[in-house]
Amino acid sequence: NAGVTQTPKFRILKIGQSMTLQCTQDMNHNYMYWYRQDPGMGLKLIYYSVGAGITDKGEVPNGYNVSRSTTEDFPLRLELAAPSQTSVYFCASRSLAGGPYEQYFGPGTRLTVT
Amino acid sequence: AQSVTQLDSQVPVFEEAPVELRCNYSSSVSVYLFWYVQYPNQGLQLLLKYLSGSTLVKGINGFEAEFNKSQTSFHLRKPSVHISDTAEYFCAVSGGSGGGADGLTFGKGTHLIIQP
Repeated sequence: NAGVTQTPKFRILKIGQSMTLQCTQDMNHNYMYWYRQDPGMGLKLIYYSVGAGITDKGEVPNGYNVSRSTTEDFPLRLELAAPSQTSVYFCASRSLAGGPYEQYFGPGTRLTVT
Repeated sequence: AQSVTQLDSQVPVFEEAPVELRCNYSSSVSVYLFWYVQYPNQGLQLLLKYLSGSTLVKGINGFEAEFNKSQTSFHLRKPSVHISDTAEYFCAVSGGSGGGADGLTFGKGTHLIIQP
């Protein structure tokens, strides 16, 4: 199993540009999450999904959109990039079975908006 | 709402010495607690978790943590650290109304620096 994979690893955007961060998991997990990590801060939840076709906002959703058309993929879309979106983005997934078991994290995408 | 406080942003320790990384949480409901480790330029890896049962939880790489409900704490310990333990450590909480679908609420992290 590859686990959770994210592409790209790094990206530099100009203000106002758009991009999609890709996330794929091969563990057949129902729940998927997007977090952002700012320097000196913990991770904050942007969006989450409990299954294909079902998404909801987390703590910091403004400026982002998501979709979940398959169990495996959970892309994060940035529209009109702003410097405040400079961050490291992590995708995570977990199984539906049982309680809040561990989330498995991808390696992250480091995004700079200038 | 839930919150997690990691009391030290940075902890320097000599190699082979013991270490404790402190974590306190606040929540009005029962919680589940996690410690994650992040090595430089990598994603997060689970060290250990507390769901229920014994309050002393053992994890990978010789780490353990103790859940103390009365003090709302979940401190991480290791009796003897190695240079390879240099990393960022995050305490996280899940459960109740915090986050969505048991999304995690993280502390700001503690940078563990091992000195030779």
